[in-house]
Amino acid sequence: LAKTTQPISMDSYEGQEVNITCSHNNIATNDYITWYQQFPSQGPRFIIQGYKTKVTNEVASLFIPADRKSSTLSLPRVSLSDTAVYYCLVGPLGNKLTFGGGTRVLVKP
Amino acid sequence: EPEVTQTPSHQVTQMGQEVILRCVPISNHLYFYWYRQILGQKVEFLVSFYNNEISEKSEIFDDQFSVERPDGSNFTLKIRSTKLEDSAMYFCASSERDYQSYEQYFGPGTRLTVT
Repeated sequence: LAKTTQPISMDSYEGQEVNITCSHNNIATNDYITWYQQFPSQGPRFIIQGYKTKVTNEVASLFIPADRKSSTLSLPRVSLSDTAVYYCLVGPLGNKLTFGGGTRVLVKP
Repeated sequence: EPEVTQTPSHQVTQMGQEVILRCVPISNHLYFYWYRQILGQKVEFLVSFYNNEISEKSEIFDDQFSVERPDGSNFTLKIRSTKLEDSAMYFCASSERDYQSYEQYFGPGTRLTVT
């Protein structure tokens, strides 16, 4: 599985856009990039998934450059309730999930 | 929106005792998983289950662990003889796994405390 590197923590303020970049230099051809969110004492929750270019849903956008060696999760106009740990996962579809340490995002008022 | 449920939310047991953690996956899902998260650490994969058999397991999932789908709705994780280091949050997850998505739906977890 591709090793991922993401910042340990990030602080932001309500209403701002939060961008979390994940590095995955040894991503394989059949690997997809998926982001999960986890609130304290809750199970992880799927946010978004992509293979290349840009993916957008009602929650976030995922930007993947042509070389696919990194990806950026963008959370528009965050609120206090977006305070959570965000995980970048890279691997083939239909497989076990391998979580790293994630990025702890703190949204301040 | 359908969701994965888990019971109990918190289980306290003594070392050496057997525990069974229960999960009800989303009804039309076919693939089931158990993960655990020791306090302050990463979420770790334990086992995946499909068509009434284990499809993959991690090195954590040793002979003390077993999984079962006793009926059409429940999915259980049994730890035969608990150890202090089994204290963790245990998450059940399920997916349709149509090979078009990596999306697994997680339950709220069971906090297991071994004393």
